[in-house]
Parts: sequence; C-alpha cells; structure tokens
Amino acid sequence: SQQGEEDPQALSIQEGENATMNCSYKTSINNLQWYRQNSGRGLVHLILIRSNEREKHSGRLRVTLDTSKKSSSLLITASRAADTASYFCATEPVGGANSKLTFGKGITLSVRP
Amino acid sequence: DTGVSQDPRHKITKRGQNVTFRCDPISEHNRLYWYRQTLGQGPEFLTYFQNEAQLEKSRLLSDRFSAERPKGSFSTLEIQRTEQGDSAMYLCASSPGGGYTFGSGTRLTVV
Repeated sequence: SQQGEEDPQALSIQEGENATMNCSYKTSINNLQWYRQNSGRGLVHLILIRSNEREKHSGRLRVTLDTSKKSSSLLITASRAADTASYFCATEPVGGANSKLTFGKGITLSVRP
Repeated sequence: DTGVSQDPRHKITKRGQNVTFRCDPISEHNRLYWYRQTLGQGPEFLTYFQNEAQLEKSRLLSDRFSAERPKGSFSTLEIQRTEQGDSAMYLCASSPGGGYTFGSGTRLTVV
C-alpha cells in the first residue's frame, strides 16, 4: 500500500517559475523524504525533514512539514528544464525498526524551456 | 565506485523462466532494500536486509521470490517461474539510516 499521496499528479510550468508539490500521508512519521526520478532511472534523494522540523532548505529546494495536517510541500524555485522529472514523497513511520520507506505515486513535473 | 550498482540493467525473459538480479550497495551501508516499481506508480517495498539478516518481507514477495545477502555485502533477488505480472522495474537501495541511495534498477520484461 502507498502511504503518501502527492498533489497535483502532473505539473507543467515555464522555466524560471516556481514549482510547488504537495504530499499528504496517513500515519505518524519519524521523517519525510523527497526523491526525484528521471525517466527509466533510479530515484535520487533530495531532502529529508524530521518530524520535529517545520521547514528545511537545500539550494533551490524548500520543504515544509505540518505534522498536525499530515502534509508536506516541496518548492523548487527558479525551475530549470533539467528539473523535469517525477517527484516522490516517502515516509518513515514512527516505531519503524528498519527505516522502511513508503512512497507515494509521484508527481510528474515538466519544465518548458 | 561510490554508488549502488545493479545488474543487469534490462532483462527480457520468457514466462516460466527463472531470473536473478544483483545489487552491490555502498560498502559502508548496512541496510539494503529491494523495491518494485510499475509504470506510473511509486516504488513498493519488497524486502529489507540489515547486514546479512533479512528482517522483513512484504506480502508482495510471493514464494516464487527469494532474496539473499551473503556476508552482508551484495544482494541477489531471484524470481522463479516468472509471470507476465512480474514485469516491472526492480530497484535496490542502501542506507546507513535516513535517506536511501538507489541504484538505476533492473527492468524486467516477461514475454
């Protein structure tokens, strides 16, 4: 079963614009992570935010976490054509002894040059 | 090599044949995971190793699937008597705890 639900399912923007992607989840978590996947490739870890954190930045990425609403958002600023990919949120549940991540279905981001 | 390697990248097999995939994790990572991903979906957990011990298996992992991680290094995933429904991307990831590093995956096509 997939814990995370990303929104929107697909997003198309112009290069230079900001892209905002949302993720909702169902159970209590230790952390939430965002990954990127280029077509036919493996996933690349972007950023991890712990349950006691509310916001985190990494380069052009900004992620927020609202544990009361069980939701997270990923903001990519000043998007580039190379940001075109699928983006997944993944959650590590509380009490998970093996750090097993549960992934959502992903968001397809297209950045038009 | 500092990444996770998977071999082969692509595998086409006839229904009923057995296939085996290999994953070489990052050497310092004691945790190794196998996931399966079908088109338009996120990765689904199959199994997890900590060192050489297989600590969890998903219900998705039927008795035709077996995974090993001898000596806590590389891992293999074998599928016996393949079915068309096994066609998917099989992803391996390793982690020291926290974020995962994924390999590029093995795309299996069962014809």
